[in-house]
Formats: sequence, C-alpha cells, structure tokens
Amino acid sequence: AQSVTQLDSQVPVFEEAPVELRCNYSSSVSVYLFWYVQYPNQGLQLLLKYLSGSTLVESINGFEAEFNKSQTSFHLRKPSVHISDTAEYFCAVTRMDSSYKLIFGSGTRLLVRP
Amino acid sequence: DAGVIQSPRHEVTEMGQEVTLRCKPISGHDYLFWYRQTMMRGLELLIYFNNNVPIDDSGMPEDRFSAKMPNASFSTLKIQPSEPRDSAVYFCASSFSQGMGTEAFFGQGTRLTVV
Repeated sequence: AQSVTQLDSQVPVFEEAPVELRCNYSSSVSVYLFWYVQYPNQGLQLLLKYLSGSTLVESINGFEAEFNKSQTSFHLRKPSVHISDTAEYFCAVTRMDSSYKLIFGSGTRLLVRP
Repeated sequence: DAGVIQSPRHEVTEMGQEVTLRCKPISGHDYLFWYRQTMMRGLELLIYFNNNVPIDDSGMPEDRFSAKMPNASFSTLKIQPSEPRDSAVYFCASSFSQGMGTEAFFGQGTRLTVV
C-alpha cells in the first residue's frame, strides 16, 4: 500500500520569503507524484506533477518540486511567496501500474503574512 | 467544459435523514472518484468508478453509504441514515485514462452538516 506524510500541518511565512513544504511517501512499487492546491471554499487543483525524466518539476506560478527517490521525498518550494499563495497544499501519489487512484497526504496550510 | 459540477454546495440535514449528493463529471472522462474531507482524517477516497462500474469501494465507511453511476454523466453518493459524524466536505473528481499520471479534476465540493 502507498502512504503520504506531510509532517507540517501549518507553515506561516512572511510575504516574499522562501518556503518549503515537505512531503515523504512510502510505496513498495514505483509511483507518480503530485502536488495539489486548495484555495478556501474550493476544490483541489493540480499544481505540478512528476511522472518521469528530470527530477525537478515546475509550475506556472513559481512553485517547484524535486523528486528524491533515495529519500522518498517530493518537497515543494517557492523562492518568494505572495499573499495569494495562502492555501492548503496536498501531496499525492498514484501507483505506476494503476495510475488512477490518488492517495493524499494530510495537507499543509500555507499562511502568508504581509 | 464547465468542469466537475457538484450539487448541492451546502446541505444541512437532521440525523436519520437520507442525504443524496450529486456529481456531473467532465464530459469524456472515464474515471470518477468520491472523496471525503474532514479535519480529523483529511482527504479519504471513498469509492471510484471506471466506465460507470465501481472498481474500489474499500473506502466506503459503512453500509449506510452507497454510490451509483447510472451513466457516464452522472453519479450519486447516498447516506441513509445520516449521522452527525458524517459531517464533512464531499468532493467528486473525474479523470481521463491517459495511461500516465492522469490529472484528477475536482468539483467544488458539497459541505454536509448533519445535526
């Protein structure tokens, strides 16, 4: 079975500061990795994903995540956050052999302060 | 496409009543998922369908919960009888089987309160 651990339930940060949201996963088989974002009172939206190739993946709004197989991690980073980045961020995995069932972590609430 | 559409957005019901949540997936998508989100348990996958057929319902908490997908454009999640501990936000999501890391598209959710 697969599992995802997001150790930080909430990360407060000042605007324009860098941030890292941690994600570790456990799986006996190869997986695809995702970060989803949930803005208040909305559903989840895909932020970025790792399928294969370069271990560093980027989103259109400045976030990036790096797949580290040896550490089974997929941490999300942004060098300079905005107020509008305040949201809940979920890390998720699917098995490569049945890539339709998403297993989510517990989420990390990013709170950006002015 | 308008995205995944869920109704109602909010539902308040009394304990013991039947509750039906509805979902219209994105046209052409062949997978549909029902998730439940609570503060205590986070996002839990309840059940998912492929081509209208239930594939995995191991996440359905009890027999009080049932889900159907009579056709490719409609699914329901029913709770009968409802209990206060069922209070949560229920999300429906759909995806298209591209074979590699398919993105799931989520609806805005139904916030259920059972009093």
